[in-house]
Amino acid sequence: DGGITQSPKYLFRKEGQNVTLSCEQNLNHDAMYWYRQDPGQGLRLIYYSQIVNDFQKGDIAEGYSVSREKKESFPLTVTSAQKNPTAFYLCASSISGGRYEQYFGPGTRLTVT
Amino acid sequence: ILNVEQSPQSLHVQEGDSTNFTCSFPSSNFYALHWYRWETAKSPEALFVMTLNGDEKKKGRISATLNTKEGYSYLYIKGSQPEDSATYLCALKRGGGSYIPTFGRGTSLIVHP
Repeated sequence: DGGITQSPKYLFRKEGQNVTLSCEQNLNHDAMYWYRQDPGQGLRLIYYSQIVNDFQKGDIAEGYSVSREKKESFPLTVTSAQKNPTAFYLCASSISGGRYEQYFGPGTRLTVT
Repeated sequence: ILNVEQSPQSLHVQEGDSTNFTCSFPSSNFYALHWYRWETAKSPEALFVMTLNGDEKKKGRISATLNTKEGYSYLYIKGSQPEDSATYLCALKRGGGSYIPTFGRGTSLIVHP
């Protein structure tokens, strides 16, 4: 079955610690994305990558970092510099460019205390 | 930041009612509009990809129309069922750049039996 996996589903961390969220896809998509959702807000773009070894900042990249060493994987690190890291994080992938829709993972809910 | 507006924010209807909601966006440089359905505890899934002014798409009881000149799209659900309860998201892609979608905040639909 082709799809996107994110792990873990729930993640708890202490303030000041970096944490890495996993996102893997087997859809052979070039493009991958990370979004954050907060209550009452839409999906806000953190980072995106349209090809291996290249990525771009989205609207709210401060306090986050990513890597794209393999086509299948696009991990997101939430650093201690992120002021409000508690949120729901969604990963997506798509065929690069053009009109193509995105395919989403199940999400990771991160709670930082 | 691009403004993609969805209205209403939430909607409660009775089973069997027909309903519709709106996605509004800047009409300049339009490339594509996507509609997604996001059910609780699941991942968002694409419903429609709309690219041409006047497009009408249909999937079962759900249909969508597109007016790129005035910058809006309507999503219609005929004879709503409890399983239609979900958040419906629209996402705009504009041309001339990276084709990264911008999401609206969504319309939350609850269908009461």
